Amino acid sequence: DQQVKQNSPSLSVQEGRISILNCDYTNSMFDYFLWYKKYPAEGPTFLISISSIKDKNEDGRFTVFLNKSAKHLSLHIVPSQPGDSAVYFCAAPLRSGNTPLVFGKGTRLSVIA
Amino acid sequence: KAGVTQTPRYLIKTRGQQVTLSCSPISGHRSVSWYQQTPGQGLQFLFEYFSETQRNKGNFPGRFSGRQFSNSRSEMNVSTLELGDSALYLCASSFPGQGPYEQYFGPGTRLTVT
Repeated sequence: DQQVKQNSPSLSVQEGRISILNCDYTNSMFDYFLWYKKYPAEGPTFLISISSIKDKNEDGRFTVFLNKSAKHLSLHIVPSQPGDSAVYFCAAPLRSGNTPLVFGKGTRLSVIA
Repeated sequence: KAGVTQTPRYLIKTRGQQVTLSCSPISGHRSVSWYQQTPGQGLQFLFEYFSETQRNKGNFPGRFSGRQFSNSRSEMNVSTLELGDSALYLCASSFPGQGPYEQYFGPGTRLTVT
């Protein structure tokens, strides 16, 4: 049972435009969400997170939006750059507290120059 | 600080064999988690160790096991390898209280079972 779902396996965006990556979750007990970015031959690196008490968190070009009623979150990258080309994973802690993460299957973003 | 290191980076094994993978966490991190990444399933949680004790376990068969040493280094073992065990195995470490739920990943060990 996939508790965190990323339904778009891939996304292509022109350099300078906005990239929007989507994530849905089924477990209403999730209270924290994270986005990780992964380049080939490297481990995932933490990008940005959001607590369920917020609906938006911004860090430079990256913004995450959370819609709790729809159990949906999205990552916006503005403007997109070729170096953003990577696989992006949405994740949530298994349970409250410092616990391992449940990941989506990832979305491969390609930013075309 | 040095990051999470994993050895070996690449491994080729034959069905039925067993394999041991190693992970050294970031200095001071006491929690180590293992994940399996496959193209069809994304990252799936295997198990987590904290202070030499298994604290959480994912839905994997008993062929997958792990342990943690007093210096927080961790190993995972897969016995009686199957073709479906071919995957990237990722280790992640974390320090309680540092960036809620944030985990730091190593580069992974690419295991190929033939």
